[in-house]
Amino acid sequence: KAGVTQTPRYLIKTRGQQVTLSCSPISGHRSVSWYQQTPGQGLQFLFEYFSETQRNKGNFPGRFSGRQFSNSRSEMNVSTLELGDSALYLCASSPRTANTGELFFGEGSRLTVL
Amino acid sequence: GESVGLHLPTLSVQEGDNSIINCAYSNSASDYFIWYKQESGKGPQFIIDIRSNMDKRQGQRVTVLLNKTVKHLSLQIAATQPGDSAVYFCAENWGETSGSRLTFGEGTQLTVNP
Repeated sequence: KAGVTQTPRYLIKTRGQQVTLSCSPISGHRSVSWYQQTPGQGLQFLFEYFSETQRNKGNFPGRFSGRQFSNSRSEMNVSTLELGDSALYLCASSPRTANTGELFFGEGSRLTVL
Repeated sequence: GESVGLHLPTLSVQEGDNSIINCAYSNSASDYFIWYKQESGKGPQFIIDIRSNMDKRQGQRVTVLLNKTVKHLSLQIAATQPGDSAVYFCAENWGETSGSRLTFGEGTQLTVNP
């Protein structure tokens, strides 16, 4: 079974630009969540989608948004990029939203903002 | 919100020894506590979880202990191998209402010396 796939793996943007990251969950998994990982703040929850609906949202500004498609694939968007948005963005999937904590993570998209 | 933290940022052990990684948490209402392993360049990988109504759970070469009295969580790795070298994160899930929202600790870098 293929794992969680994230694209692109690496990207460089400049301040003020926007970026869209894509995530394909494990086949059959309907929940997709996004996390930001930085050396200073560690792993922080961004949001979760289940059946195309946002179920939970973390404490991030409105510049961070996401969506989920009918095939469970998800995208997240960051607008008006800031230097502090440089991070590894991780996508995770699970079969359901009521979760014990076992998530299946992708390898991440590493965003550098210059 | 409350967060999960770790006692030590680094741990170095000899191959074949047992490793113990500790974690202190502050949210008494958490339903599940989870350990993840993250190797360099990869996303976190689920190791084991324990529900709040349990004290101990064993997996393959790993044991998780939960002490709710002092809000302490530990991961024991038996016969540590070089492949165990990674960053280990504890995390907590607040239960069904949280879905896939996990609160992660800061991480402990485990280095296994041959």
